[in-house]
Amino acid sequence: GDSVTQMEGPVTLSEEAFLTINCTYTATGYPSLFWYVQYPGEGLQLLLKATKADDKGSNKGFEATYRKETTSFHLEKGSVQVSDSAVYFCALSEGADTGRRALTFGSGTRLQVQP
Amino acid sequence: GAVVSQHPSRVICKSGTSVKIECRSLDFQATTMFWYRQFPKQSLMLMATSNEGSKATYEQGVEKDKFLINHASLTLSTLTVTSAHPEDSSFYICSATFMNTEAFFGQGTRLTVV
Repeated sequence: GDSVTQMEGPVTLSEEAFLTINCTYTATGYPSLFWYVQYPGEGLQLLLKATKADDKGSNKGFEATYRKETTSFHLEKGSVQVSDSAVYFCALSEGADTGRRALTFGSGTRLQVQP
Repeated sequence: GAVVSQHPSRVICKSGTSVKIECRSLDFQATTMFWYRQFPKQSLMLMATSNEGSKATYEQGVEKDKFLINHASLTLSTLTVTSAHPEDSSFYICSATFMNTEAFFGQGTRLTVV
């Protein structure tokens, strides 16, 4: 079955440091890939997504590129802020009809950014 | 983005009692709702998928008589944990979608069974 593996946390960085959170996946078809963020006390929010190979999703300074050859979707940000402290989830959904299909999640990576 | 409200955010109940968790889409009609469960330091695991007006589809290994899901309207789905036991203690999260939109998530419910 489908699976998502992401690096364990917590990841602790100083403000303005470069961030990478690794994510690799296993899927039988051609999945859509997502990064979700969960701030303390809130629900998961979609951060960015990519629906086909070589697509780059970006939002709020975060980027991730859908790499089919390495089955990866690593999350990056050039300069993190304290407000980026949250738990980040990598996820996939099989096929394009994403509204009707559940997501397969990674275990989440907690990011702590220190001033 | 659209708002999904999940209630309660935390609940403590005694072993053997039942607990109901509500998931509401506040500003859109949710044709499909999903219920997930998250154990500490683990992934969100899909429990069931429910479409408005029809029976929920449960994932393998999830007891449908223990985790009752009702999706009676386009804005409300409920998960009832019946005869709860300490091993049911977990974080439960719902998400809702409309047609082919992205999934919108509730803030989750922390259930503790004592």
